[in-house]
Amino acid sequence: SQKIEQNSEALNIQEGKTATLTCNYTNYSPAYLQWYRQDPGRGPVFLLLIRENEKEKRKERLKVTFDTTLKQSLFHITASQPADSATYLCALDRGGADGLTFGKGTHLIIQP
Amino acid sequence: DAGVIQSPRHEVTEMGQEVTLRCKPISGHNSLFWYRQTMMRGLELLIYFNNNVPIDDSGMPEDRFSAKMPNASFSTLKIQPSEPRDSAVYFCASSLVRAPSEKLFFGSGTQLSVL
Repeated sequence: SQKIEQNSEALNIQEGKTATLTCNYTNYSPAYLQWYRQDPGRGPVFLLLIRENEKEKRKERLKVTFDTTLKQSLFHITASQPADSATYLCALDRGGADGLTFGKGTHLIIQP
Repeated sequence: DAGVIQSPRHEVTEMGQEVTLRCKPISGHNSLFWYRQTMMRGLELLIYFNNNVPIDDSGMPEDRFSAKMPNASFSTLKIQPSEPRDSAVYFCASSLVRAPSEKLFFGSGTQLSVL
């Protein structure tokens, strides 16, 4: 089965800096990789999707890269703000009966 | 659109009792997913439906868990009998179709505590 690894320790970043989160996976390479944001007491909210043939995807201050050779995705938040503090989850789907498989997430804290 | 609606938001019950969690997906969405989230295991897919039909229930822990989707606008997840290890946040999510490129819309979850 697919194994997804994200930094389990909280990531502390100073406001205004770029936050970079890592998602590593084993076994098969998915055709798509998604990133979600989860706030305390809420369900995950979709942020970005990247396809295997896309190296990079951007949306406002967010950027996602996808390296199928390294089996890794990086999620960047530029000009970070305290409001960006949340848990960020990566998720993979190979399109079979498995459905969308999530990593445990990385807790990001942006300090003013 | 009101989004995915789950009820109740919180459920506290005693071991051995039956628990029923409810979900209303976004109107027009054909796929519905039940996930469970714990600190130890993260988000785990329990079961998902496509056009009201269960497709994959391999994530359902054991026979104590059952899920139904009698129509396109309602689904239930039942635990009978409940055990303390079932304590977790249960999320329902829906998507327009079942495809790896489709994003999921999650409800706010049900916090279940089994004493």
